[in-house]
Amino acid sequence: GENVEQHPSTLSVQEGDSAVIKCTYSDSASNYFPWYKQELGKRPQLIIDIRSNVGEKKDQRIAVTLNKTAKHFSLHITETQPEDSAVYFCAATLSGSARQLTFGSGTQLTVLP
Amino acid sequence: GAVVSQHPSRVICKSGTSVKIECRSLDFQATTMFWYRQFPKQSLMLMATSNEGSKATYEQGVEKDKFLINHASLTLSTLTVTSAHPEDSSFYICSARQTQETQYFGPGTRLLVL
Repeated sequence: GENVEQHPSTLSVQEGDSAVIKCTYSDSASNYFPWYKQELGKRPQLIIDIRSNVGEKKDQRIAVTLNKTAKHFSLHITETQPEDSAVYFCAATLSGSARQLTFGSGTQLTVLP
Repeated sequence: GAVVSQHPSRVICKSGTSVKIECRSLDFQATTMFWYRQFPKQSLMLMATSNEGSKATYEQGVEKDKFLINHASLTLSTLTVTSAHPEDSSFYICSARQTQETQYFGPGTRLLVL
């Protein structure tokens, strides 16, 4: 089955700096890669996703890049703000199949004011 | 966007009792719903996949007789923790799949078994 590894487990950045979280996946058939943000005690919220037919996707301060050959994808947050502090999870799956999302272990991002 | 509700948000029960958690997709039909368990500072652990009108598929190590799942309609799935014990205390989160890939999560249920 699919295996997703996520790094780092914790990340602290100064407000205004950029943050990068990286994930690798094992199943080359996976073609859908969402990112979720989870604040303490709350539900995971989908913040951005990317499909394997594109290499990069951007939404304001958030971008995701995908390298299919290397089987890794990354989340980039620019101009970080304190409200970006949360746990971020990457995930992978094969779109159109019955497979569920396989999640990474999560990254606790802390943005220091 | 798609909205998933979960009830109750938190529950405290005595050891040996059963607890039912409901997961509803409010503005879309979900043929598939998922139940996760999350321990503090850990990732989401998939417990089972719930398909409307059929038996749930449980992940390895999850006792199907202890965690009963029913998906009676396209908008409702329930998880019943039977004969709950303190080690069952956790944060339980459901999600519903709107398209063939996108999952939206419920707000979670915090279960405390005394």
